[in-house]
Amino acid sequence: DAGVIQSPRHEVTEMGQEVTLRCKPISGHNSLFWYRQTMMRGLELLIYFNNNVPIDDSGMPEDRFSAKMPNASFSTLKIQPSEPRDSAVYFCASSPIAVASSTDTQYFGPGTRLTVL
Amino acid sequence: AQSVTQLDSQVPVFEEAPVELRCNYSSSVSVYLFWYVQYPNQGLQLLLKYLSGSTLVKGINGFEAEFNKSQTSFHLRKPSVHISDTAEYFCAVSDILTGGGNKLTFGTGTQLKVEL
Repeated sequence: DAGVIQSPRHEVTEMGQEVTLRCKPISGHNSLFWYRQTMMRGLELLIYFNNNVPIDDSGMPEDRFSAKMPNASFSTLKIQPSEPRDSAVYFCASSPIAVASSTDTQYFGPGTRLTVL
Repeated sequence: AQSVTQLDSQVPVFEEAPVELRCNYSSSVSVYLFWYVQYPNQGLQLLLKYLSGSTLVKGINGFEAEFNKSQTSFHLRKPSVHISDTAEYFCAVSDILTGGGNKLTFGTGTQLKVEL
């Protein structure tokens, strides 16, 4: 089992550029989560999907952020345009259960460290 | 809405000494509680979780935690730490009614540093 795969692992870009982060969940998992981790705000849930459908995007900071899950094995988080305050580590996690009241474990990827200059 | 407080941002401890990492939560409804560990440059992985039943929960790597409803706490303990336990530890809570394990609220983390 390869675990949750994220790419790229590191991204350095300039303010105003578009950034796309990618995630491949564990095969068979049908819930997917995007988190952002910063020193100031800790770990924040941005959005999560069940069966490829966005369920809760209340954590998405603003319209510059968007996330998609076109199929069960791939998701993207896009920032356009990027700003220096978006610099953070972005984690993707997946879980095998789709029911909202599930208590199953979330499996985290290694994260993408984004630096916006 | 629920919240999690981890009062200690850093806990230094000598190898083979016991350690306790504190976690308090706030919620108006029943909760599920979790501890995750993050090793340097890695994602989080689950140490243990409390769903119901016995208030003492045992997890991986010799860690355990005790759920105390009256004190709204879920402190993490290990009787004897090893250098390899050096990592950041996150307490998390989810609301039974609205999100279960799918919507976790994390604490700010406690950096455990084990020294020789």
